[in-house]
Amino acid sequence: GAVVSQHPSWVICKSGTSVKIECRSLDFQATTMFWYRQFPKQSLMLMATSNEGSKATYEQGVEKDKFLINHASLTLSTLTVTSAHPEDSSFYICSASEGRQTYGYTFGSGTRLTVV
Amino acid sequence: AQSVTQLGSHVSVSEGALVLLRCNYSSSVPPYLFWYVQYPNQGLQLLLKYTSAATLVKGINGFEAEFKKSETSFHLTKPSAHMSDAAEYFCAVRSRGSNYKLTFGKGTLLTVNP
Repeated sequence: GAVVSQHPSWVICKSGTSVKIECRSLDFQATTMFWYRQFPKQSLMLMATSNEGSKATYEQGVEKDKFLINHASLTLSTLTVTSAHPEDSSFYICSASEGRQTYGYTFGSGTRLTVV
Repeated sequence: AQSVTQLGSHVSVSEGALVLLRCNYSSSVPPYLFWYVQYPNQGLQLLLKYTSAATLVKGINGFEAEFKKSETSFHLTKPSAHMSDAAEYFCAVRSRGSNYKLTFGKGTLLTVNP
């Protein structure tokens, strides 16, 4: 089945630094990738949608300059949390889809970000 | 706008008992519906999905769900709970329109007692 690899699985960084999270589709071409944020014991909140070769579409309230998303190829999307602060600490999950006509969304295993 | 309501943030059952997790959706047209399971500190795993074929959908690990248009529901069931079923379960909906984003419910934590 479709597999999405997300790295790192956890990261601790100092306040003010930047962190990059990678999401790779291993055995299919992900025309669209989604980035979610999940707070403890809560549901997933969609942050942005990215299509290969295009600028990401951010959800209302998500700072695009803080959460940089790049989808340069059909198998790789990255989320960079810039100038991280403790309030950015969260669980980040990516999801990949082969396209609008499919019903499959494959999720990565998530990244636990802790900013100290 | 589409939305999903999961009734019960926490469901507790005994091992071997019936599992019933409720999900109701709001959509102008019958949408695509999904159930996902999440174990601690992990991503989401697809249990099953409804895409307009049979209304009774069978998924992995013995789970199934029935799409009921008249009740706008897509409840998840399993005849006999296993300890390994303890996890967070999310119902999600996707519009049949051009917007193909998933909207998630708030989740239901299932605990299984020995």
